[in-house]
Amino acid sequence: EAGVAQSPRYKIIEKRQSVAFWCNPISGHATLYWYQQILGQGPKLLIQFQNNGVVDDSQLPKDRFSAERLKGVDSTLKIQPAKLEDSAVYLCASSLGAGGGAETQYFGPGTRLLVL
Amino acid sequence: QKEVEQDPGPLSVPEGAIVSLNCTYSNSAFQYFMWYRQYSRKGPELLMYTYSSGNKEDGRFTAQVDKSSKYISLFIRDSQPSDSATYLCAQRSNDYKLSFGAGTTVTVRA
Repeated sequence: EAGVAQSPRYKIIEKRQSVAFWCNPISGHATLYWYQQILGQGPKLLIQFQNNGVVDDSQLPKDRFSAERLKGVDSTLKIQPAKLEDSAVYLCASSLGAGGGAETQYFGPGTRLLVL
Repeated sequence: QKEVEQDPGPLSVPEGAIVSLNCTYSNSAFQYFMWYRQYSRKGPELLMYTYSSGNKEDGRFTAQVDKSSKYISLFIRDSQPSDSATYLCAQRSNDYKLSFGAGTTVTVRA
């Protein structure tokens, strides 16, 4: 079974530029998550989709971050304009069902973003 | 106050030692307690989970939850160099959201 795929793996941009990350979840997984992991910290949920609807985006900085999951499969996360503090690893995860209880979230390898 | 506090580490132990990792949490609504392992430049992977209080053992790994003191632990017996990674505790309440600790980096020296 293929895992969660993410691209690009690394990205370096100047502040105020825009950047987009792509995620392909495990086939058949209904729920997709984007997390931000700053160096030395645990992952923080940015947005959660169930199929193509948003379940939770309470911690997404909506003035600069946007995300979409068209057709309930792939997803993109965009930052525009980027700030220095956005330097982090952006992790995508997916789960088979709604994500409750003991359900496992499967993580991709992440995209490392450095904003200069 | 953060919802989940994790002993920061890092920890460096000789091969064969017992590794003890700890977290405390503040939200009494947490019902599910997970440990994730994250190798360098990889995403986290679920190692174990426990529901409510008690112990759970899986091979060399034992997870403990004490809800009365809001304390969770992971023990790794007979540690191996392949156990070198960052270990993240995570908790989930009924709203499905996972809250992660900051992680403890463990190095097992051969």
